[in-house]
Amino acid sequence: QQPVQSPQAVILREGEDAVINCSSSKALYSVHWYRQKHGEAPVFLMILLKGGEQKGHEKISASFNEKKQQSSLYLTASQLSYSGTYFCGTEFGWVGGADGLTFGKGTHLIIQP
Amino acid sequence: GAGVSQSPRYKVAKRGQDVALRCDPISGHVSLFWYQQALGQGPEFLTYFQNEAQLDKSGLPSDRFFAERPEGSVSTLKIQRTQQEDSAVYLCASSHQGRGWTDTQYFGPGTRLTVL
Repeated sequence: QQPVQSPQAVILREGEDAVINCSSSKALYSVHWYRQKHGEAPVFLMILLKGGEQKGHEKISASFNEKKQQSSLYLTASQLSYSGTYFCGTEFGWVGGADGLTFGKGTHLIIQP
Repeated sequence: GAGVSQSPRYKVAKRGQDVALRCDPISGHVSLFWYQQALGQGPEFLTYFQNEAQLDKSGLPSDRFFAERPEGSVSTLKIQRTQQEDSAVYLCASSHQGRGWTDTQYFGPGTRLTVL
């Protein structure tokens, strides 16, 4: 029941936009987005809850489509600092399931000057 | 402010040795999680504590893995008789709320374990 992320990797020029998708075959309760740079801790970006609205953080925003069990992360006017691996972590609700997040395999984002 | 800290940052063990990995969560955080991250993969859930109670250990791969959080703050993940397949980065995360709440998990920098 690991969520599927797409694309696996993307290379952009600084200032270009990117979309990263996270899809689940199981009903989702929440989606958590993180960015991880090599050798560092995953850094929290945002949480989207079932029934919640699209969220934004500076030039990074995300949406949650409950019907499709899918979340998308939008990076606009990308900056060099956006480079890293993006993970979505999904939560199906603690009742009857594990308490931790189930993460996708990640999307590698490379921003070139 | 102080985040989640982990020690050691790097650990090299010979196959068959026991190791202990430490996690200091953010002060006052009720929930503590351990994850295992293999090279090029996302973190995989190992176990969950709410204060000192281990409420979920469904992700521990074998009975060689043991975790504790005796006073509800610092946690230790112990791996007995290490095997090469245990080589990975072990991440600790903490969150303010307890079970039943969707909350931000703050991750530590991890311990990179290499088993030779």
